[in-house]
Amino acid sequence: DIQMTQSPSTLSASVGDRVNITCRASERISFWLAWYQQKPGKAPKLLIYKASTLERGVPARFSGSGYGTEFTLTITGLQPDDVATYYCQQCRGTFGQGTTVELK
Amino acid sequence: EVQLVESGGGLVQPGRSLRLSCTGSGFRFSDYAFHWVRQAPGKGLEWIAYIKSNDYEGAVEYAASVKGRFTISRDDSKSIAHLQLNSLKTEDSGVYYCVRDETTTCYPAHWGQGTLVTVSS
Repeated sequence: DIQMTQSPSTLSASVGDRVNITCRASERISFWLAWYQQKPGKAPKLLIYKASTLERGVPARFSGSGYGTEFTLTITGLQPDDVATYYCQQCRGTFGQGTTVELK
Repeated sequence: EVQLVESGGGLVQPGRSLRLSCTGSGFRFSDYAFHWVRQAPGKGLEWIAYIKSNDYEGAVEYAASVKGRFTISRDDSKSIAHLQLNSLKTEDSGVYYCVRDETTTCYPAHWGQGTLVTVSS
């Protein structure tokens, strides 16, 4: 099975900061990667699919990049509403362990 | 509007069975693939099962942790996807989500609200 390793596990940043979350696949997965945001008590929300395609309605401060085994979710200009846990997922398979984003 | 509603969760003893249902509306159910994803209390997300549309013979895939115990199926005439959970263990407890996807690409944009399964004696 392909393993997805996400880092960091927790991230503390200030409003307006640029935030990067990394996801590494144990095998090459082309661009078949999605990123989700989850808030407590809620279902995950798709942010990015096919590694870099922004889901409709998601703010443009979210972006995704990468191919093969290394992927990054970037939040440019962190907002209070972005406090959440973020997950990567290889298409139809394993999730990363999650990254909790907090405000400093 | 696309809607997915899970049902069938509850409290069950270890070793027993449960069948979860995911009812879709607002779209042509037969055109889509479906996943089940679970989340243990306070833990991360775990993908557990996938079923393609019947155009692709309804092919299924399972995570190693549930293979042989869980069965995913679909009834397009009723717009329902099922997850049969057998030989339940305490570690199977959690919220189970149904997710709509596209068979020919990867676009898991629509999630249900989840149904809670608690395995306990």
